[in-house]
Amino acid sequence: QVTLKESGPVLVKPTETLTLTCSVSGFSLTDLRMGVSWIRQPPGKALEWLAHIFWNGEKSHSTSLKSRLTISKDASRSQVVLTMTNMDPVDTATYYCARIKDTTMVLDYWGQGTLVTVSS
Amino acid sequence: DIQMTQSPSSVSASVGDRVTITCRASLGVGSWLAWYQQKPGKAPSLLIYAASSLQSGVPSRFSGSGSGTDFTLTISSLQPEDFATYYCQQANSPLIFGGGTKVEMK
Repeated sequence: QVTLKESGPVLVKPTETLTLTCSVSGFSLTDLRMGVSWIRQPPGKALEWLAHIFWNGEKSHSTSLKSRLTISKDASRSQVVLTMTNMDPVDTATYYCARIKDTTMVLDYWGQGTLVTVSS
Repeated sequence: DIQMTQSPSSVSASVGDRVTITCRASLGVGSWLAWYQQKPGKAPSLLIYAASSLQSGVPSRFSGSGSGTDFTLTISSLQPEDFATYYCQQANSPLIFGGGTKVEMK
């Protein structure tokens, strides 16, 4: 059974750095073709892909947010970590992690999401 | 980056209706397109991948078609549990989602 779960702060202050962790089970972060993506959704708005990292370490980031994002994985702990620097109130959103396969580039299993509010 | 435009942004329909949602890419994406369903307060779930392949466990009333720049998601006979928001996603990196289509009760 594949599951993903996001964890991290619910509230961050403007200019701070956000660190989110995605803990996965039911698959390995070294399984051939597998990866994890991060996606966010501001309240009442559409989905926005942020970054992904694959089984072989290959990474990709949103063009518009690339300078602020870092994605990494710890396969031994089955965790993927996303950091986003210089947080702003417009970054208030529900942040999801999801499993992705590099053969199809679709998100077949999702975490429940975690709401992050940026406010002083 | 490629832009993904969905239409309509919302549609009012009744149980049993046939519902069609379109997604247009600003550049050709081949068949690299997926559709997701999202219910309020929940994570999205995958419906269709590779433009027309039904994800395991998804009811057959959902179907996808298209290639290149123009794609369609069709619900053949709308069921009560289908009232939700639907997103397309182009499946070349960087991934890009459409703006969403909300299917509401008429």
